[in-house]
Amino acid sequence: KQEVTQIPAALSVPEGENLVLNCSFTDSAIYNLQWFRQDPGKGLTSLLLIQSSQREQTSGRLNASLDKSSGRSTLYIAASQPGDSATYLCAVRYNDMRFGAGTRLTVKP
Amino acid sequence: GAGVSQSPRYKVAKRGQDVALRCDPISGHVSLFWYQQALGQGPEFLTYFQNEAQLDKSGLPSDRFFAERPEGSVSTLKIQRTQQEDSAVYLCASSPIQGATEAFFGQGTRLTVV
Repeated sequence: KQEVTQIPAALSVPEGENLVLNCSFTDSAIYNLQWFRQDPGKGLTSLLLIQSSQREQTSGRLNASLDKSSGRSTLYIAASQPGDSATYLCAVRYNDMRFGAGTRLTVKP
Repeated sequence: GAGVSQSPRYKVAKRGQDVALRCDPISGHVSLFWYQQALGQGPEFLTYFQNEAQLDKSGLPSDRFFAERPEGSVSTLKIQRTQQEDSAVYLCASSPIQGATEAFFGQGTRLTVV
């Protein structure tokens, strides 16, 4: 069964901290892994896409890594800001696409 | 259009009513996905199309749920005899081809069954 798990479920940090969000998946035969951001009541905004052959992707203060063999990905957020407060979801692409339950991040001013 | 469009954005249905939710994917996108997202949860997979073919419907929770994409573009998710547990946000996504491509999501339809 293709399961995706995200840890922690919720995280609260003071502004300026660096933080790491974790995603693990049971079936490593993936095409890619995508990190999304979701604000309350809104749709999903794509942050980073890592292909199965890649090890990491960077966009601004965000860095995502992928260890396909061990079934893990991390999303690193540097110098967190209150505007980063949202739910972060990882999605693993097979022929379909499976999501974790998300990490709800709160960055306090 | 520029992005994935879903309609209606909000739908209130009385228990027992049938509803139809529409998804307009990005033009030319081959793959189309439907998800159900309950409050505070991650999106749960419902079904997946490649063009007009429904390749996986294993996530549909009951036979009251039905999805179609007859011409390989617009898709409709139909829920018959709605129940309160069907209340959720229904998300649609599309991607250019099968497999290693980025998926783009619509804003979702929030269904409330009263």
